[in-house]
Amino acid sequence: SQKIEQNSEALNIQEGKTATLTCNYTNYSPAYLQWYRQDPGRGPVFLLLIRENEKEKRKERLKVTFDTTLKQSLFHITASQPADSATYLCALDMSMTTDSWGKLQFGAGTQVVVTP
Amino acid sequence: SQTIHQWPATLVQPVGSPLSLECTVEGTSNPNLYWYRQAAGRGLQLLFYSVGIGQISSEVPQNLSASRPQDRQFILSSKKLLLSDSGFYLCAWTSGEKLFFGSGTQLSVL
Repeated sequence: SQKIEQNSEALNIQEGKTATLTCNYTNYSPAYLQWYRQDPGRGPVFLLLIRENEKEKRKERLKVTFDTTLKQSLFHITASQPADSATYLCALDMSMTTDSWGKLQFGAGTQVVVTP
Repeated sequence: SQTIHQWPATLVQPVGSPLSLECTVEGTSNPNLYWYRQAAGRGLQLLFYSVGIGQISSEVPQNLSASRPQDRQFILSSKKLLLSDSGFYLCAWTSGEKLFFGSGTQLSVL
């Protein structure tokens, strides 16, 4: 397995600003990388998936980039809202075969706090 | 639409007691099923995954076991719980690349 690093310190941001989260990994580049949102006491919810041959992916106010040279993914929340407050997890594909779908290795997550 | 059910939501068990957590998925067939554990302030750790009935792969050696008696049922068990088994247990399924998680079970072993 590989080491996945996400900022352990909470990111405090003012409403309307852009939050940028970092996910770094150490070893092999995965076929794809995913981002999830987790609220306290709840299971993670899938947000975005980006493949190794994609540089950027967008969904509404969310944007993800993937740099296999830097072994890094950036997750952006633009025009942040208090409802965006949650912990955001990045997850890397651990498998290369279809019978191992969903073998994801997760980072510890970064908490985002958006204040009005 | 697909749904995943996981119960109970919270559980407090004494050390040495048995454990059984159940997860069922509706609205899909032959999903891949997963058990993850999340310790406080840490990432999700993959415990078991299953690609079919009776097929279980263990990722982490421990005193936990998993079974899949039916296509859409996944059970996590232990014969004797340890203090270190405390955590937030999450069941998940996929038929593609993204995971769909259950609501989780907060297990406290005292």
